[in-house]
Amino acid sequence: DSGVTQTPKHLITATGQRVTLRCSPRSGDLSVYWYQQSLDQGLQFLIHYYNGEERAKGNILERFSAQQFPDLHSELNLSSLELGDSALYFCASSALRGATDTQYFGPGTRLTVL
Amino acid sequence: AQSVAQPEDQVNVAEGNPLTVKCTYSVSGNPYLFWYVQYPNRGLQFLLKYITGDNLVKGSYGFEAEFNKSQTSFHLKKPSALVSDSALYFCAVIPGGAGSYQLTFGKGTKLSVIP
Repeated sequence: DSGVTQTPKHLITATGQRVTLRCSPRSGDLSVYWYQQSLDQGLQFLIHYYNGEERAKGNILERFSAQQFPDLHSELNLSSLELGDSALYFCASSALRGATDTQYFGPGTRLTVL
Repeated sequence: AQSVAQPEDQVNVAEGNPLTVKCTYSVSGNPYLFWYVQYPNRGLQFLLKYITGDNLVKGSYGFEAEFNKSQTSFHLKKPSALVSDSALYFCAVIPGGAGSYQLTFGKGTKLSVIP
């Protein structure tokens, strides 16, 4: 158990809908990262938050957005969902924002868009 | 831009034999290298990382990896494979000094340890 929690574990929804994925980092960790894992794209970085502020964006669609709240938990919002958004979404946390900090991953949320 | 290659989609090894999972990388500057393992329907578990110093890095569950700068490689090794090591293994890189903190992953290598 990495200490990173993600809810829900599974999410099934329809095209055009909006969902919110939630992540609680390990106690004391200030950085939260979101990654998407799909069969065709592999594991791809989406976005990084550090202590409530956005620090970097990767291949994140404009339909997707994220936040990190004062209690350091983070939410990833996916809207106008398409079939291709079906994937496993991981959250990871690290102590600070250094490149040498180990990122610890949560169990993921499996999103299925029908 | 940085990239990671895992040239083998699948590696099969007999239980008790040594195993190697290969990884090569491309970054400008010094790399920070990581190995993660993913069991079915689970998240990624951190195994080990290379930041600087000794080229041989020891990690969890008896795994180790050797950083080779001239060959831009970071192969994962274990002297004696267990059936329980069967999983999907990912190599990842962060370019050092670039102000970038996100992991760039390889496509993964499925390791099957045969009893």
